[in-house]
Amino acid sequence: GQQVMQIPQYQHVQEGEDFTTYCNSSTTLSNIQWYKQRPGGHPVFLIQLVKSGEVKKQKRLTFQFGEAKKNSSLHITATQTTDVGTYFCAGGTSYGKLTFGQGTILTVHP
Amino acid sequence: DGGITQSPKYLFRKEGQNVTLSCEQNLNHDAMYWYRQDPGQGLRLIYYSQIVNDFQKGDIAEGYSVSREKKESFPLTVTSAQKNPTAFYLCASSIWLAGVTGELFFGEGSRLTVL
Repeated sequence: GQQVMQIPQYQHVQEGEDFTTYCNSSTTLSNIQWYKQRPGGHPVFLIQLVKSGEVKKQKRLTFQFGEAKKNSSLHITATQTTDVGTYFCAGGTSYGKLTFGQGTILTVHP
Repeated sequence: DGGITQSPKYLFRKEGQNVTLSCEQNLNHDAMYWYRQDPGQGLRLIYYSQIVNDFQKGDIAEGYSVSREKKESFPLTVTSAQKNPTAFYLCASSIWLAGVTGELFFGEGSRLTVL
C-alpha cells in the first residue's frame, strides 16, 4: 500500500537557523498537504500543493512539490520560537485517501 | 460556529468492552476521516468516507468499525478485538472535489485509555 516517509524525525535548531523537513511517497500523489501540530493540540492545515514542481511561500515558509509528484519539502527560514511543534506532510490519492508522514518534531532554542 | 465536534474528550474503558466515539460536522463536507495518533508518532488512517452509506478501510482498520448514515456524522466504534486501543483519536472532514482531498478540519480529539 501507499507509504509516506518523512525525515528527519527530530530537528533541534538555534533560533535564527533554517529548518527543512522532507517527505517521500512510494506512489505518485494527486496532492500533498502540510500541517503543524502543537503539543496537546490537533493538526492545523498550512498549505496544499497540487501541481508538479509547484512552489508556494508563506512568509518564512517555503513549500515544494516534486516534478514526479512523489516528494515534497517544507523549509523555514530564520526559525523563531513560535515555530516549535510537529510538522506533518500528508499525501493524497485520487480516490480520497490521505496518508500522513510520521512527522518532524522541531525544537527551537532561543 | 462551523466545525467538527468530537466526544467524549476523555474516555476510560475496561478490557473487553466496546466503545463508540462520536464525530459530528456542520461544514457540509462530503469526506470524513478517522485517524489514530500514538505518542511521538504520526497519524495513522483507520477509516474514511467520501459519501453517505459508503466508507473504506484505512491502514489500520482491524478492530474498528464505522458507519456513515448521515452526511454530518461518522462515529467510530473501538471493539474488544482491537489489541492496543489506548490512543488519541482524531476525526476530520474535508471537501472532496475532482479527486483531490481538500484541507482537513480536525476535531479536538478523543483520548481513550483502556484500563
